[in-house]
Amino acid sequence: AQSVTQLGSHVSVSEGALVLLRCNYSSSVPPYLFWYVQYPNQGLQLLLKYTSAATLVKGINGFEAEFKKSETSFHLTKPSAHMSDAAEYFCAVGVFGNEKLTFGTGTRLTIIP
Amino acid sequence: EAGVVQSPRYKIIEKKQPVAFWCNPISGHNTLYWYRQNLGQGPELLIRYENEEAVDDSQLPKDRFSAERLKGVDSTLKIQPAELGDSAVYLCASSLDSRQESTDTQYFGPGTRLTVL
Repeated sequence: AQSVTQLGSHVSVSEGALVLLRCNYSSSVPPYLFWYVQYPNQGLQLLLKYTSAATLVKGINGFEAEFKKSETSFHLTKPSAHMSDAAEYFCAVGVFGNEKLTFGTGTRLTIIP
Repeated sequence: EAGVVQSPRYKIIEKKQPVAFWCNPISGHNTLYWYRQNLGQGPELLIRYENEEAVDDSQLPKDRFSAERLKGVDSTLKIQPAELGDSAVYLCASSLDSRQESTDTQYFGPGTRLTVL
């Protein structure tokens, strides 16, 4: 079985500041890891995914995440926050051969002007 | 290219009434998923289809929920009768073919927000 823990249900950063959203996973086998973003009244949009290739994964909108096996983490970062980044972010874990994704409870990102 | 289409976007019903949600996946996508997202939570898988076959329905409450995917394209999720606790956003997602690439990217629709009074 796999699980995801997102630390911090709400994160606020100033416009132009570093964005760091934390995700820790648990999996008995090598995981596939995902970050999705959800804007109000919309579905989830894939930001990036890790599938056992490079540990540093670059995604859309300037976001990136680093897979750290020793820390069982897959934190999402962006060097400079923009107002348009305000949304809910979900980390998810999947397992090879299993299409079932397990999502975290989400982190709501607020950008302070 | 059109994304995943869902309808209706919003539905308000009284408890014990039936309700149905419709999903049209991205053209060519063989795998279709229905998720339920409760307020303040992440999505939880209800059922997964490979073409017209339901390959994972272990989380679907079968006493009141049913789903079908006739001809392996569109899908309908039904609740009968609805209960207060069914209030949530019901998300549909699709992916190319899970048999070709494990954990293939899932593309989500905008969801149907259900309110049961």
